[in-house]
Amino acid sequence: SSELTQPPSVSVSPGQTARITCSGDDWGNKYACWYQQKSGQSPILVIYQDNQRPTGIPERFSASTSGNTATLTISGTHAVDEADYYCQVCDSSSYVFGTGTKVTVL
Amino acid sequence: QVTLRESGPALVKPRQTLTLTCTFSGFSLKTTGMCVSWIRQPPGKAPEWLARIDWDDDTYFSSSLRTRLAISKDTSKNEVVLTLTDVDPVDSATYYCARIFTYDYGPAFDSWGQGTLVTVAS
Repeated sequence: SSELTQPPSVSVSPGQTARITCSGDDWGNKYACWYQQKSGQSPILVIYQDNQRPTGIPERFSASTSGNTATLTISGTHAVDEADYYCQVCDSSSYVFGTGTKVTVL
Repeated sequence: QVTLRESGPALVKPRQTLTLTCTFSGFSLKTTGMCVSWIRQPPGKAPEWLARIDWDDDTYFSSSLRTRLAISKDTSKNEVVLTLTDVDPVDSATYYCARIFTYDYGPAFDSWGQGTLVTVAS
């Protein structure tokens, strides 16, 4: 997939659910991953292999894939979840990042 | 504890070669399934993957930058070096190195360095 499109911004109230989509044109047998990047910090992995959470990532982060779209869901959003989120198509030999979504917790 | 740290020049002149070093601890690039990648991120933009080197010396490169990139490792020093030739101001970005351990999280980048900001200007 040469391009992964995400909405530029998503706004959510504390305690509500935020959903971020990631659309591409050729997922093939590749995995979707998601990264959170807070202002001035390095990205951290929040989802790998489509829907798995790394150790230490809260259960409110979940993800799914359907066709050529991956979705990250933050249930019961906290103020600390305010950040940029990037999807990524993970392949054993190439990687493409999404355009990024800024999540604002109002 | 896994840590990675990028180092290199903060300022590079156009048409020069940029050399960056990733020094890591908490894992070994001799371990089967272990890999290190380089990623860059221009200010305010999305990350862009550049290159990857694996425990078995396999290397992979971004198709758009393949002709300008080289990656190597020194397992005795726990270092991975990235070179980017013929730099241009559009190559200005924060450069990160990141670990991949395929037996833990598949091909995902599970640990990142803090990044080093590189500016290309005369």
